[in-house]
Amino acid sequence: GAVVSQHPSRVICKSGTSVKIECRSLDFQATTMFWYRQFPKQSLMLMATSNEGSKATYEQGVEKDKFLINHASLTLSTLTVTSAHPEDSSFYICSARGQGADYGYTFGSGTRLTVV
Amino acid sequence: QKEVEQNSGPLSVPEGAIASLNCTYSDRGSQSFFWYRQYSGKSPELIMSIYSNGDKEDGRFTAQLNKASQYVSLLIRDSQPSDSATYLCAVKASGGSYIPTFGRGTSLIVHP
Repeated sequence: GAVVSQHPSRVICKSGTSVKIECRSLDFQATTMFWYRQFPKQSLMLMATSNEGSKATYEQGVEKDKFLINHASLTLSTLTVTSAHPEDSSFYICSARGQGADYGYTFGSGTRLTVV
Repeated sequence: QKEVEQNSGPLSVPEGAIASLNCTYSDRGSQSFFWYRQYSGKSPELIMSIYSNGDKEDGRFTAQLNKASQYVSLLIRDSQPSDSATYLCAVKASGGSYIPTFGRGTSLIVHP
């Protein structure tokens, strides 16, 4: 089945630093990847959609200069949280859409970011 | 605005019972429908996908789709305490966008 690997699973960083989160599709080529953020007991919030080789499309209210997304290959997308602040602390999850007729949306295991 | 609605619950069922989770969507042209399970602190896990009207069964899970009424449901037979989680309904709408729309999820509690 489709597997998406996300790293790191947990990260604690100091306020003002940057954090990079990686999302890899291991056994399929992901034409489109999605980045979500989820606060405790709340629903998934789509942050941005990225297509391989092109710029990401950000949802309204998401700062593109703060949340840098790179999707340089069909198997790797990265999200960099720049100049992180405590309010950026959240659960970040990537999702990938595979190719083919029966595509599904497969989620990575998520990254718990804590900014102190 | 494309919307996917789910009752937030919690839905509480006894062990061994059938749990019925429902989802309605606003975009009549929606084509693809997915059910995900999310345990607390974990990422969503795909349980079922369904694309055509009718029922689709996979083990203890049955997804039911009725495009005319714009609802999709998930039945869990012989519910187990390990099924206790939040169940997310996702819908891919019509058109060229591949962005799925997620419901807010229904919390299911299966008590022994």
